[in-house]
Amino acid sequence: QLQLQESGPGLVKPSETLSLTCTVSGGSISSSSYYWGWIRQPPGKGLEWIGSIYYTGYTYYNASLESRVTISVDTSKNQFSLRLSSVTAADTAVYYCALTIFGRIDYWGQGTLVTVSS
Amino acid sequence: EIVMTQSPATLSVSPGERATLSCRASQSISNQLAWYQQKPGQAPRLLIYGASTRATGIPARFTGSGSETEFTLTISSLQSEDFAVYFCQQYNNWPLFTFGPGTKVDIK
Repeated sequence: QLQLQESGPGLVKPSETLSLTCTVSGGSISSSSYYWGWIRQPPGKGLEWIGSIYYTGYTYYNASLESRVTISVDTSKNQFSLRLSSVTAADTAVYYCALTIFGRIDYWGQGTLVTVSS
Repeated sequence: EIVMTQSPATLSVSPGERATLSCRASQSISNQLAWYQQKPGQAPRLLIYGASTRATGIPARFTGSGSETEFTLTISSLQSEDFAVYFCQQYNNWPLFTFGPGTKVDIK
């Protein structure tokens, strides 16, 4: 059974960089047709796709966040990561890592709350 | 960018009744639409993909329909565990995708 687990700091200061890692277990991050992604959800609000990556390193980002986002993959560790720079309070959210297969999101991590505050 | 809208924002339904949720795309997305259920404190769960295909383990009381720009999720007889928030997601230009704002189904 494929599992995804987010890890990283739960508190980030304004103007700094948010960094999260997603560890994949029960399957290979190098599987074809799989895109690995990050999705966030501000408290009490809806879902926002941040970006996706293929195991070869091809990335796709939400245009509204593209200037601040970097997603990378480490196939040797079966992990992929998110970096979001110059964060503000508006970036406070639960961050999910997820697996999309031909568009649908079959697997989600449990989510991790990241709060931006000094 | 394809914008997704959902209606109503909140739907109050009695247990055992039918619930009908709507999702609309700003342009045609064929059948590239999924529905998710989210309960408090949990990650979303895939219910429907391809507009009408139930995901593994999803009960038959959940039915998806529609194409192009208009989509519907019907829950035929609401059970207590179905009270949740439901999101639609378009993936017509996957790996880019967008979500609707959600419909909360609560107890009447």
